[in-house]
Amino acid sequence: GAGVSQSPSNKVTEKGKDVELRCDPISGHTALYWYRQRLGQGLEFLIYFQGNSAPDKSGLPSDRFSAERTGESVSTLTIQRTQQEDSAVYLCASSFTLRGEQFFGPGTRLTVL
Amino acid sequence: GESVGLHLPTLSVQEGDNSIINCAYSNSASDYFIWYKQESGKGPQFIIDIRSNMDKRQGQRVTVLLNKTVKHLSLQIAATQPGDSAVYFCAEKHSNSGYALNFGKGTSLLVTP
Repeated sequence: GAGVSQSPSNKVTEKGKDVELRCDPISGHTALYWYRQRLGQGLEFLIYFQGNSAPDKSGLPSDRFSAERTGESVSTLTIQRTQQEDSAVYLCASSFTLRGEQFFGPGTRLTVL
Repeated sequence: GESVGLHLPTLSVQEGDNSIINCAYSNSASDYFIWYKQESGKGPQFIIDIRSNMDKRQGQRVTVLLNKTVKHLSLQIAATQPGDSAVYFCAEKHSNSGYALNFGKGTSLLVTP
């Protein structure tokens, strides 16, 4: 596609449930990033992937958060046993290389009731 | 710890005026800075970037100024238009933080007719 796409655009879940968020990066982009944006705040880095290298997971807030990426394509961010404080917009970005400009998707708005 | 912050959370300007959005950073090792624009319901959009070996960079209607002495960054928008209304984020990264961007909280720019 022309840009980074994310699905779903909105997700409402109950506390304690698991959720999976999906990101389709721009074709050919080797680097993929996940960020979290709480209401009225800036973006917090969660994790990035670069090619077949080990991902940088240093931003994941707890072991309830995990992410996978298949090669240089789709990535999924999984949040297990969701908590109300997980409510936020989850943004995905991709770049041609790790040093390149990051292009952002529209985000998934997660609401945990 | 290191942080990126903005001096003003909101800025209101009249159409046609110039806008200046400020950002302070605390890590003197930061070597790459970016301004992003985020419209409601969308992901951040790259505006302009600057590396630490420069103190000024110009784009179309935008100029970024970097003052490394006082660790200050600004975004100037000339002849502000209603379409410029959005939240503006500065972001930085430095060599010892990998390739993740560190974002400030954002400044909301409102352009009035």
